[in-house]
Amino acid sequence: DAGVIQSPRHEVTEMGQEVTLRCKPISGHNSLFWYRQTMMRGLELLIYFNNNVPIDDSGMPEDRFSAKMPNASFSTLKIQPSEPRDSAVYFCASSLLEDIQYFGAGTRLSVL
Amino acid sequence: QKEVEQDPGPLSVPEGAIVSLNCTYSNSAFQYFMWYRQYSRKGPELLMYTYSSGNKEDGRFTAQVDKSSKYISLFIRDSQPSDSATYLCATLTVNDYKLSFGAGTTVTVRA
Repeated sequence: DAGVIQSPRHEVTEMGQEVTLRCKPISGHNSLFWYRQTMMRGLELLIYFNNNVPIDDSGMPEDRFSAKMPNASFSTLKIQPSEPRDSAVYFCASSLLEDIQYFGAGTRLSVL
Repeated sequence: QKEVEQDPGPLSVPEGAIVSLNCTYSNSAFQYFMWYRQYSRKGPELLMYTYSSGNKEDGRFTAQVDKSSKYISLFIRDSQPSDSATYLCATLTVNDYKLSFGAGTTVTVRA
């Protein structure tokens, strides 16, 4: 099992640019989560999908953030336009039946 | 007040020592209790999980849950330098999806 796969692992961009983060969940898992981790706030849930449908996006900080899950094996998190305060590590996690979550290696985003 | 409180440490111990990590939680509805290990610049990795109260042992690791006092513990016996990481406790209610994470405790095991 390859686990949750995220790309890119690192992203450096300039303020105002669009950033797209990608995630491939574990095959067979029906729940997908996007998290953001910072030193100040720890792990924060941004959005949760179940069976490809967004269920809870209350953690998405602003309209600049959007997420999609066009099929069971792929999801994207987009930030447009990006700002320096968006710099963080973004994790994708997946689970079966909404219990134990398995995390990807994360994307380290730096917005200059 | 956060739902799960965890002392961020840092905690430094010599190799071979027992590492004791703790969390407290406030929501009595929590039923799943997890420990994740996160190495530097890596994603959280599920280490152990328990359902409801009791103990669970896996090799050098023991997880304990005391629901009466809302207390979660992780013990690492015969600690090794490779155990140096941040350990996050997390809780979950049945039929919910929102993991409540502690802040994480950074552990360093000195060779």
